[in-house]
Amino acid sequence: GENVEQHPSTLSVQEGDSAVIKCTYSDSASNYFPWYKQELGKGPQLIIDIRSNVGEKKDQRIAVTLNKTAKHFSLHITETQPEDSAVYFCAAATNAGKSTFGDGTTLTVKP
Amino acid sequence: DSGVTQTPKHLITATGQRVTLRCSPRSGDLSVYWYQQSLDQGLQFLIHYYNGEERAKGNILERFSAQQFPDLHSELNLSSLELGDSALYFCASSTSWESGETQYFGPGTRLLVL
Repeated sequence: GENVEQHPSTLSVQEGDSAVIKCTYSDSASNYFPWYKQELGKGPQLIIDIRSNVGEKKDQRIAVTLNKTAKHFSLHITETQPEDSAVYFCAAATNAGKSTFGDGTTLTVKP
Repeated sequence: DSGVTQTPKHLITATGQRVTLRCSPRSGDLSVYWYQQSLDQGLQFLIHYYNGEERAKGNILERFSAQQFPDLHSELNLSSLELGDSALYFCASSTSWESGETQYFGPGTRLLVL
């Protein structure tokens, strides 16, 4: 089955710096790659996603890149703010409706 | 607020017992997904229902079962509970069954098995 590896597991940055989280996947049938933000005591919330026919997508301070050949995708957050502090999960999904999640990255943005 | 509701918020029970978790999807969403989030295993996909029918199965134990009713709410039944079943259980909903549909997560049910 699909295996998704996410790095790093923890990331601490200064406010205003950039943060990058990387994921690799194993199943070439995966064609949808969402990123979720989970705040304490809440369910995951989709922040950005990318489909396999696209290499890059940007939404304000957040961007995601996908390299299908290498089977990896990354989340980039620029100009980080303290409210960006949360746990971030990547996932890979197939047309069969199955999603496999990475283990999560705890991002801390220091004021 | 995602529009997905889950009840109960918290559940404490004993080993060997059976519990039922309930999920109401966003208005208009036909798909419901169930996930388990534990400290040592992260978010695990359990099962996906679309318009009352099972679409995909993940790492769901045989002691667990789910169904989606005609009004589209879903229930996850956990039986013969073990200590290791203690976790957060999330449901999510989406408009259709296709990969690439945004999934909206509920607030979760925290299950503690003593």
